[in-house]
Amino acid sequence: QKEVEQNSGPLSVPEGAIASLNCTYSDRGSQSFFWYRQYSGKSPELIMFIYSNGDKEDGRFTAQLNKASQYVSLLIRDSQPSDSATYLCAVYGRRDRGSTLGRLYFGRGTQLTVWP
Amino acid sequence: NAGVMQNPRHLVRRRGQEARLRCSPMKGHSHVYWYRQLPEEGLKFMVYLQKENIIDESGMPKERFSAEFPKEGPSILRIQQVVRGDSAAYFCASSPRPSSSYEQYFGPGTRLTVT
Repeated sequence: QKEVEQNSGPLSVPEGAIASLNCTYSDRGSQSFFWYRQYSGKSPELIMFIYSNGDKEDGRFTAQLNKASQYVSLLIRDSQPSDSATYLCAVYGRRDRGSTLGRLYFGRGTQLTVWP
Repeated sequence: NAGVMQNPRHLVRRRGQEARLRCSPMKGHSHVYWYRQLPEEGLKFMVYLQKENIIDESGMPKERFSAEFPKEGPSILRIQQVVRGDSAAYFCASSPRPSSSYEQYFGPGTRLTVT
């Protein structure tokens, strides 16, 4: 059973601070990594993806990947109240050992609240 | 460019009835994925389809659930003889290629309530 674990939260930060969201995964063969944002009652919205070790920056968002540690994180700089949502980590991995089929495995999400 | 479309957005069914959920992928996307999200739980993969083919249905319950993606028209997730435990949000996602290196984009979801 492939596992994707996220800090359970909730995480609360003041406006303007850096929010740090963490995710670990169990399958070493995982190939690609995604962060989705989900507002309450809405669908997941893709905000970042990363395939290679290191950092990837997009505006106020930075995704960090360390495949050796099986760890991926999302940093949100200058957090805004509109960033308040649940953040889902998703990992694309093989369905079974030896299988060519893969799928996205999602963590349960970390709820972030940014207070003014 | 229209996003992924799902309908209905809300569906109420009595126990024992059939639920039919529809998904139209983004233009240019031929890969469709269905997920279920129960309250306070993460998204769980159900089935992966391409046009006229079911590629991976290993995440879908073997009884009462079926999915199709015909040559023409939307993908359909069908739940027969619904039970209260089927109440959940069902999301469809699409991608232009298999998702090993391509992101999936989600539709607005169908919220199914079984009474």
